[in-house]
Amino acid sequence: EDKVVQSPLSLVVHEGDTVTLNCSYEVTNFRSLLWYKQEKKAPTFLFMLTSSGIEKKSGRLSSILDKKELFSILNITATQTGDSAVYLCAAAHNTDKLIFGTGTRLQVFP
Amino acid sequence: KAGVTQTPRYLIKTRGQQVTLSCSPISGHRSVSWYQQTPGQGLQFLFEYFSETQRNKGNFPGRFSGRQFSNSRSEMNVSTLELGDSALYLCASSKDRSVYGGANVLTFGAGSRLTVL
Repeated sequence: EDKVVQSPLSLVVHEGDTVTLNCSYEVTNFRSLLWYKQEKKAPTFLFMLTSSGIEKKSGRLSSILDKKELFSILNITATQTGDSAVYLCAAAHNTDKLIFGTGTRLQVFP
Repeated sequence: KAGVTQTPRYLIKTRGQQVTLSCSPISGHRSVSWYQQTPGQGLQFLFEYFSETQRNKGNFPGRFSGRQFSNSRSEMNVSTLELGDSALYLCASSKDRSVYGGANVLTFGAGSRLTVL
């Protein structure tokens, strides 16, 4: 059965800290790995990773995919209180169905 | 441009009733997907519609159904509601399947929070 596992489930840090969120997947006919940020209701898109070893960056956020070991990480440097959210990882099947992990809840305190 | 619009935002039903949720995708997006989000299970895929046809379906019972109209708007229906159906129902739209090898990037609506008493 296809599955995506995220760790840790929850993380509490202080502003300025660097965090690493993990996502491992077992998905047949894997196509891509996506990261979303969910603050209140609607998840918002962060990254899509298709190729191994190529880092994607957006400001203080970066992500990389390892298709051999079947995992991805999301790094956030110099965290801010506005980074507090649930971060969702999703593996895309070749039918475009997304299989989501249960998320990592990040809380950043001043 | 307007985002994905879901209505109603909140609703309360009792067991045995049925409910219909509505989703208007971003203009120009022809694919609409539905997900159920609960604290214990996370986001789980319900179904996807493209050009009025169900293109993909998750592992939910037949009480969960949906449809898409010619203007790409979509509705999902849950009949004979159970307590366990209480959840946030998220709709997401995208243009089409990517031709570049990657998955489609879904844009989510704010969701409809259903409480079943």
